[in-house]
Amino acid sequence: AQSVTQLGSHVSVSEGALVLLRCNYSSSVPPYLFWYVQYPNQGLQLLLKYTSAATLVKGINGFEAEFKKSETSFHLTKPSAHMSDAAEYFCAVSRGGSEKLVFGKGTKLTVNP
Amino acid sequence: EAGVTQFPSHSVIEKGQTVTLRCDPISGHDNLYWYRRVMGKEIKFLLHFVKESKQDESGMPNNRFLAERTGGTYSTLKVQPAELEDSGVYFCASSHWTGGLHNEQFFGPGTRLTVL
Repeated sequence: AQSVTQLGSHVSVSEGALVLLRCNYSSSVPPYLFWYVQYPNQGLQLLLKYTSAATLVKGINGFEAEFKKSETSFHLTKPSAHMSDAAEYFCAVSRGGSEKLVFGKGTKLTVNP
Repeated sequence: EAGVTQFPSHSVIEKGQTVTLRCDPISGHDNLYWYRRVMGKEIKFLLHFVKESKQDESGMPNNRFLAERTGGTYSTLKVQPAELEDSGVYFCASSHWTGGLHNEQFFGPGTRLTVL
């Protein structure tokens, strides 16, 4: 069975500071990994995905994530936080193809001026 | 291109009543998924349609939930009778069916269901 653990249900950073959102996964098969973002009153939007190509994945809005198999991690980072980054972020894992997504509990990011 | 749409955006019903949620996927997407997020918990998979067929319904909580996808277009999720624990946000997602490495799922805004 697959599972995802997101460390920290709430993360608060100052504008301009580094954003680091942690995600660890468990999977019995090579995983496909995703980060989604949900802004208030909107649906989930795909930020980036790892599908067994490059281990460092670049996404939209300046975010990136690195797949580390030895650590079973897929942490999301952004060098400099912007106020507009305030949202809830979800890490998810899939076996690929049209398989269902298994989500973590989400991390709410607050950006302070 | 229109995104995934869901109706209604909010629904407040009393325990024992029936509610039907609707999802319109992106045109041409054969895959349609339903997910649910109960407050404070993770988003959980409910079921997956390929066209009008149920591919995977392993996440459906119990037989009070009935999902349909007539003609392989829009889908409905009926809860009858609703219980307090059914409260949450119900998300619909759709994707192409290509048999490829991964088919990106596009999510709708969700329906917030409150059962009183």
